[in-house]
Parts: sequence; structure tokens; C-alpha cells
Amino acid sequence: AQSVAQPEDQVNVAEGNPLTVKCTYSVSGNPYLFWYVQYPNRGLQFLLKYITGDNLVKGSYGFEAEFNKSQTSFHLKKPSALVSDSALYFCAVRDSGSARQLTFGSGTQLTVLP
Amino acid sequence: SQTIHQWPATLVQPVGSPLSLECTVEGTSNPNLYWYRQAAGRGLQLLFYSVGIGQISSEVPQNLSASRPQDRQFILSSKKLLLSDSGFYLCAWSIPGLAGGYNEQFFGPGTRLTVL
Repeated sequence: AQSVAQPEDQVNVAEGNPLTVKCTYSVSGNPYLFWYVQYPNRGLQFLLKYITGDNLVKGSYGFEAEFNKSQTSFHLKKPSALVSDSALYFCAVRDSGSARQLTFGSGTQLTVLP
Repeated sequence: SQTIHQWPATLVQPVGSPLSLECTVEGTSNPNLYWYRQAAGRGLQLLFYSVGIGQISSEVPQNLSASRPQDRQFILSSKKLLLSDSGFYLCAWSIPGLAGGYNEQFFGPGTRLTVL
């Protein structure tokens, strides 16, 4: 079975500071990992994905994520947060050995304080 | 470029009334299509997905059904709404075929359904 956990419901960070949104996963095969962002009353927007290759993945709006196989983690990062980054962030996983579709985490609300 | 549309944007319906939400995709052929429900602004629950016309897979038993009458049209329906059907309904698509299951999904703007 595949699962994903976002251990923090809420993350607050000051504008200009680095931000990290945590995600851990569990799969039986190789993981396919995704990050999405959702603004209020909107659909989800794709940020980045890890399928294979370089463990550091760069995505939209200056976000990046690091795949760590030994820690089964895929944390989202940004060197310098903007107030406009405030939104709900979702991590998602697909098990390469499973017919199941994407499983989403419960989401982390990021608030960037001016 | 590809775009995905959902309507209506908001809907208020009484308990026991029928439901029909529509999703259409432009700019691609034979996409994989998905219906999700998001309750209380948080986690997403996959309701249905489709890899082709008339091919619907249900992830959870419930009061809802889905249909795909045309290649790029995906409809979510109910004969009788329950209070628990309230939520934010999101449609999504991915590239066709098996590879679509391993690539990103692109989401529509969503429909806010309130059942009273």
C-alpha cells in the first residue's frame, strides 16, 4: 500500500527566510513523488515531481524538493519565502509497483509573514 | 495548450435532489480523467478515474457516479444528494495511457457544492 504523510498542519515563516514543508512517504516499489499548491477556492497547481535521476528537483516559482530514499522523504524548500507563497501545499505519491492512482497527503498550510 | 473547465463554480442543492457536475478538457486527446472531493479545505479523496470513453473506475463506494460520454468530457452525478456530499469537487487530467498514471495531473478550478 502507498501512503504519504505531511506531519505539519501549519508552517509559519517570515518573508525572506528559507522555508521547508515536510513530506514522508511509504511505498513498496519505487516512488513517484509530486508537490502541488492550492490557493483559496482554487484547483491544485503542479509545482514539481521526482520520477528518477537527480535527487534535487527544481520546480515552479523558485521551489525545489530533495528526494531522500533512506529517510523516505521529499521535503519542499525555497531559499527565500514571499508573502505570495502563502497557500496550502500537498505532497502526493504513486507507487511504481501499484495500479493505484496518486495518494495525496493531508496538506500543510504555509503562512509567510511580512 | 491544454485547458480544463468545470461548471458550475458553485452550487447549493437541497438534500435528496439530483446532481450533475461537468468537466471538459481542451487541447489533448484521450486524457486520463479524475474526480476528487476535498472536504473542509484539506485532504483530497479520489472518487473516480477514467482511462477512456465509457471506462470508469470507482475508488470508494458512495452516493455518486461518474460517466464519460465523450473523450474529453467527464460528468459526476448523483440521483439523491446527502448532506455528506457537500465539499469542493475537483476534476483533473493527465496524459493518456499507462504513462499518465505516473505523471502529474492538471486540475480544474473546482466546484463548491453545498447540500442543505
